[in-house]
Amino acid sequence: EPEVTQTPSHQVTQMGQEVILRCVPISNHLYFYWYRQILGQKVEFLVSFYNNEISEKSEIFDDQFSVERPDGSNFTLKIRSTKLEDSAMYFCASSLLAGGTQYFGPGTRLTVL
Amino acid sequence: AQSVSQHNHHVILSEAASLELGCNYSYGGTVNLFWYVQYPGQHLQLLLKYFSGDPLVKGIKGFEAEFIKSKFSFNLRKPSVQWSDTAEYFCAVNSNTNAGKSTFGDGTTLTVKP
Repeated sequence: EPEVTQTPSHQVTQMGQEVILRCVPISNHLYFYWYRQILGQKVEFLVSFYNNEISEKSEIFDDQFSVERPDGSNFTLKIRSTKLEDSAMYFCASSLLAGGTQYFGPGTRLTVL
Repeated sequence: AQSVSQHNHHVILSEAASLELGCNYSYGGTVNLFWYVQYPGQHLQLLLKYFSGDPLVKGIKGFEAEFIKSKFSFNLRKPSVQWSDTAEYFCAVNSNTNAGKSTFGDGTTLTVKP
């Protein structure tokens, strides 16, 4: 069964450094999402992406964040200058349709020191 | 704006007990409803979903949920839980608008004692 994959599984970085989280969505899916889950808290929407542009973003997704689909398979989340409060599990998801079932990747645990 | 409320933060049950986890949502339009499970150290897995049709939906591992439109609820049930059901459970909603972003509830931690 096709699945969403994410790399790396764990990323440790120093405050102020740039990180890029990578995702490979399910191949025929058209809608892509990033969510994050701070330890012990709920899953929060960051951004949705369709047709090579951002469809919607939350207030969390400020100018430090960007997303890109550099080729036909990868979907990346970049954090330009990480802060301590960016430490969280970041989940990528994809769906075939807007409002369809979203399939989640295993997540990348980002630790900012 | 969409919002989801899960009433139970932590539920502790003995094996074979019945389970019901509450979920209420708020949204002005048509929604799609989901329950996800997150086992310790693992990622989110879809348990079941509701788009339309029969309001009683059955999912994997013996779980089911009932959509009650008048109550804006989508409660998760299982008649007899097992120790392996210990996990975090998230209710989520999305819609066919706003690019289908999902809004999650706070989650309910279920602990099943053997």
